[in-house]
Amino acid sequence: SQQGEEDPQALSIQEGENATMNCSYKTSINNLQWYRQNSGRGLVHLILIRSNEREKHSGRLRVTLDTSKKSSSLLITASRAADTASYFCATDAGNQFYFGTGTSLTVIP
Amino acid sequence: SQTIHQWPATLVQPVGSPLSLECTVEGTSNPNLYWYRQAAGRGLQLLFYSVGIGQISSEVPQNLSASRPQDRQFILSSKKLLLSDSGFYLCAWSDSSNQPQHFGDGTRLSIL
Repeated sequence: SQQGEEDPQALSIQEGENATMNCSYKTSINNLQWYRQNSGRGLVHLILIRSNEREKHSGRLRVTLDTSKKSSSLLITASRAADTASYFCATDAGNQFYFGTGTSLTVIP
Repeated sequence: SQTIHQWPATLVQPVGSPLSLECTVEGTSNPNLYWYRQAAGRGLQLLFYSVGIGQISSEVPQNLSASRPQDRQFILSSKKLLLSDSGFYLCAWSDSSNQPQHFGDGTRLSIL
């Protein structure tokens, strides 16, 4: 299936540390997106990276994309307690996106 | 600005009862619309998507159905709910297939 898979499934860090999450997928994509979900809420779009881009920044977020390895990473620098959430990658396939199972990030104050 | 409304926020239904969840989008026209289900602690499963009025594509065979009676209205229905239909249902919209999706706050459905 096209569905992305995030790694690790869960991550716990101290406030101020960096958090890195990885996403692997199986087939060619046009773009890859990262989303965040606070507990019991809908997903919020964080960043979109196109297949011809290798790196993209947005504030404390840095996303990389390696199409040869079919993988992407999301780096959150100088983490805050408010960054505690689940993070999902989504890969496109025609008219829809396929979401992975997510990485649950806990930032300890 | 665009907004998406999804209701109800929570719903408890007996097995075998019907279901109707509604999602509406404001501030945009001809959006792509999506219904997802999320089991506890899991990722999102795409159920249906629509690129226009009356155009529904189903990803997973099941006892659920979707309809798009108006440009910015997307309805998820069932005639008879099963225990396995419990979950967190999310509606989303996007300008096109390769654009970010914007999600509602979800409906938590519990089947008793």
